[in-house]
Amino acid sequence: EAGVTQFPSHSVIEKGQTVTLRCDPISGHDNLYWYRRVMGKEIKFLLHFVKESKQDESGMPNNRFLAERTGGTYSTLKVQPAELEDSGVYFCASSPNRDTQYFGPGTRLTVL
Amino acid sequence: AQSVAQPEDQVNVAEGNPLTVKCTYSVSGNPYLFWYVQYPNRGLQFLLKYITGDNLVKGSYGFEAEFNKSQTSFHLKKPSALVSDSALYFCAVKDTNAGKSTFGDGTTLTVKP
Repeated sequence: EAGVTQFPSHSVIEKGQTVTLRCDPISGHDNLYWYRRVMGKEIKFLLHFVKESKQDESGMPNNRFLAERTGGTYSTLKVQPAELEDSGVYFCASSPNRDTQYFGPGTRLTVL
Repeated sequence: AQSVAQPEDQVNVAEGNPLTVKCTYSVSGNPYLFWYVQYPNRGLQFLLKYITGDNLVKGSYGFEAEFNKSQTSFHLKKPSALVSDSALYFCAVKDTNAGKSTFGDGTTLTVKP
């Protein structure tokens, strides 16, 4: 069974540009989560989808971040315009229930 | 609100010695507790979890963790460390009714030969 995949693995952009991160969850997992780790600190929750609906988006830092999960399959996280403080590793996780979350390898975003 | 504390940024042990990585938590309801490991240039990998039942939980690669409700702790342990165990370890907690997990800052484990 394929695990959670994320694309790209690395992204380097300039301040003010737009970046879109993609996450493909494990097939059949209704729950999809986005997290990020900034500057070697703790992994912070961004938002939670159940199928295509946003269950909890309390962790989204501001309106420059937009997450979608059309059709309840893969998800995208767009940052527009990117700022320096958005640099970090963005993790996606999926789960068949509200139990164990299975994480992808992450996307390392660097904003210059 | 839920929170996790991993009081040690780094843990150093010699190969063959027992290891402990500490974690304490705070949650309003009954906790689900998890340990994840991140090897260099890799994603987070699930190690073990406590949901209910036996306080001693066994997981992957010979790791185990003990849930202690009175001390609100969930320390990760292994009887005999391997050099290959060197990695970054994260403790996480979630309320049974919550979707999101809250993570600690992570502890870097270094096992020296």
